[in-house]
Amino acid sequence: GDSVTQTEGLVTLTEGLPVMLNCTYQTIYSNPFLFWYVQHLNESPRLLLKSFTDNKRTEHQGFHATLHKSSSSFHLQKSSAQLSDSALYYCALSVISYNVLYFGSGTKLTVEP
Amino acid sequence: GPKVLQIPSHQIIDMGQMVTLNCDPVSNHLYFYWYKQILGQQMEFLVNFYNGKVMEKSKLFKDQFSVERPDGSYFTLKIQPTALEDSAVYFCASSLQPNQDTQYFGPGTRLLVL
Repeated sequence: GDSVTQTEGLVTLTEGLPVMLNCTYQTIYSNPFLFWYVQHLNESPRLLLKSFTDNKRTEHQGFHATLHKSSSSFHLQKSSAQLSDSALYYCALSVISYNVLYFGSGTKLTVEP
Repeated sequence: GPKVLQIPSHQIIDMGQMVTLNCDPVSNHLYFYWYKQILGQQMEFLVNFYNGKVMEKSKLFKDQFSVERPDGSYFTLKIQPTALEDSAVYFCASSLQPNQDTQYFGPGTRLLVL
C-alpha cells in the first residue's frame, strides 16, 4: 500500500549547521503529491512545503525539498539551522483519493546553541 | 493563517462510554478529515467528509465511529462505545478543495480511555 518512511526519529544539531531530514515513499501511482508538515510544541501541524513536480525544487521559509520520482524521495533541507526550527517534522504522501494523507513517523529536530 | 479549533483539548473517559470530539474547521472549507495518532506512532487517516457524506474511511474507522456536521456547526467524531485502544490524539483537518489541497490541522484532542 501507500506509505512514507522517515528514517530518523531524532535529529540533534548545532545552530548554523545544515539540516537534512530524509523522506522516502512507496506508491504504485505515478503522480504522487508530497508534503512536509511541521509541528512546534503545543501547536497544530502546519504545511511547510508541498510538491508534485518531478525534479523541481520547492522552497519556503528557508527550507527546500525536491521530489525525485526516480528514487521516491522528498528530503527536507535547510542550509543553516536556527533554534526556532526545533520541532516535529512530518513527511506525507497523497495519491488518487479525496486528499487522504499518509504520514511518516515524524522526525524530531532539536537545534542547540 | 487559517485556524482549526478542537474542543475539548483533553478528555478522560471510562471504557464503554460515549465520547464526542468537536472540530471547528476553517470557515469556508468544504472538506473535513479526522486523523488518529497513538502515542509514539504516526498520524493515521481515519475518515474524510464532504457535503454531508463520508467520502473515504480507513480500516481504523470502526463501526463504533461516526462523523457528522449538522447544519454547518461543528464537525464531530463520535465513538460509541469507546475501547482502551481508542486512546490517542485525534486531529481534525479541513481543506477548501479535495485532491491534494492544503489541509489545515487543529491542535488535537487527547483522549484517554480508562
